[in-house]
Amino acid sequence: DAGVIQSPRHEVTEMGQEVTLRCKPISGHDYLFWYRQTMMRGLELLIYFNNNVPIDDSGMPEDRFSAKMPNASFSTLKIQPSEPRDSAVYFCASSLADWGHTGELFFGEGSRLTVL
Amino acid sequence: AQSVSQHNHHVILSEAASLELGCNYSYGGTVNLFWYVQYPGQHLQLLLKYFSGDPLVKGIKGFEAEFIKSKFSFNLRKPSVQWSDTAEYFCAVKIGGGSYIPTFGRGTSLIVHP
Repeated sequence: DAGVIQSPRHEVTEMGQEVTLRCKPISGHDYLFWYRQTMMRGLELLIYFNNNVPIDDSGMPEDRFSAKMPNASFSTLKIQPSEPRDSAVYFCASSLADWGHTGELFFGEGSRLTVL
Repeated sequence: AQSVSQHNHHVILSEAASLELGCNYSYGGTVNLFWYVQYPGQHLQLLLKYFSGDPLVKGIKGFEAEFIKSKFSFNLRKPSVQWSDTAEYFCAVKIGGGSYIPTFGRGTSLIVHP
């Protein structure tokens, strides 16, 4: 089975540019999460979706960040305009709301963003 | 909202040493508990999980964790670490039967010297 697929794996961009990160969750999973990982803050939950609907975006740091999930197999996280402090590894994860309520998250490989 | 504390931010051990990483949470009701591991340059992956039953949970690669409800703890242990265990370890807690959203701890960086 294919896991959670993220692209790009690495992105280097200049301050002010738009950045779009992409995620394909595991087929059949109901939940999709976007996390940001930095040395200073650790793993932060930015936003999560349930059945393609954004449920909680309280972790999105600023209006420069936006996320969409147009269908069950695709989500994007956009930063516009990007700033050097946005440099981090961004992880997408998905989860299945099964009857066991297991809550196990399956993570993608991450997108390492460097904003110069 | 529940919170998760991992008291050891950095741990350095020699090979064959025993390991115990602490994890405490704040929620008083039923919880589901997880340990995730992130090897250098890789994504997080599940190490072990507890839902119910035997509070001593066995995971992959010789890891185990014990759920002590009275102490709100879920400490990770391994009797003899290897160099390949060098990684970041995250404890996560989810309210049982309700929200599907786990809360992650800050993480513990483990370095094992050969």
